[in-house]
Amino acid sequence: DGGITQSPKYLFRKEGQNVTLSCEQNLNHDAMYWYRQDPGQGLRLIYYSQIVNDFQKGDIAEGYSVSREKKESFPLTVTSAQKNPTAFYLCASSLGEGDSYEQYFGPGTRLTVT
Amino acid sequence: GNSVTQMEGPVTLSEEAFLTINCTYTATGYPSLFWYVQYPGEGLQLLLKATKADDKGSNKGFEATYRKETTSFHLEKGSVQVSDSAVYFCALRSSSASKIIFGSGTRLSIRP
Repeated sequence: DGGITQSPKYLFRKEGQNVTLSCEQNLNHDAMYWYRQDPGQGLRLIYYSQIVNDFQKGDIAEGYSVSREKKESFPLTVTSAQKNPTAFYLCASSLGEGDSYEQYFGPGTRLTVT
Repeated sequence: GNSVTQMEGPVTLSEEAFLTINCTYTATGYPSLFWYVQYPGEGLQLLLKATKADDKGSNKGFEATYRKETTSFHLEKGSVQVSDSAVYFCALRSSSASKIIFGSGTRLSIRP
């Protein structure tokens, strides 16, 4: 059963700690994405990766870092430099760069930093 | 640059009412257009898509037609159900970019 998994579903951290959110896909997709969603708002792109060992900053990359060492994995680290990290984080993947390729989303991780 | 504008919510309707959620876009070239749905506490799911002008995407009773002349992709459903309560996102992906641009979302609530 192909899909995208994100773990954990809920994550709690103290301010000043780095935290890494997991995203794994078994769809054999080349491209992967991280979005942030705040209450009542749309999605904002943090980072994306089109191929292994390559990634680009999205619209709100400050305070975040990523790696893409394997095709199926794209972990996101929320660093202590991110001033307002509490949010719902969504990972997505797509088959490639063609304009008809839709993105498939994971179930999300809700991060709360206190 | 590319952008998507969708009607602000929340939208509240009674069961079996007709639904329209407006979406207009700005893009160069001929983008593909999408509607995604997000149920409470979950990720987004693709609802329907259209890849060229005059295409009609449809799924689960929802429809949207790609109108190049009005740069619109309005979502419609003839008879909504309580289970349709969710947030709906209009989105586009242009051939010149690998990113998908999302609208801000429209929250739909259906009362029995």
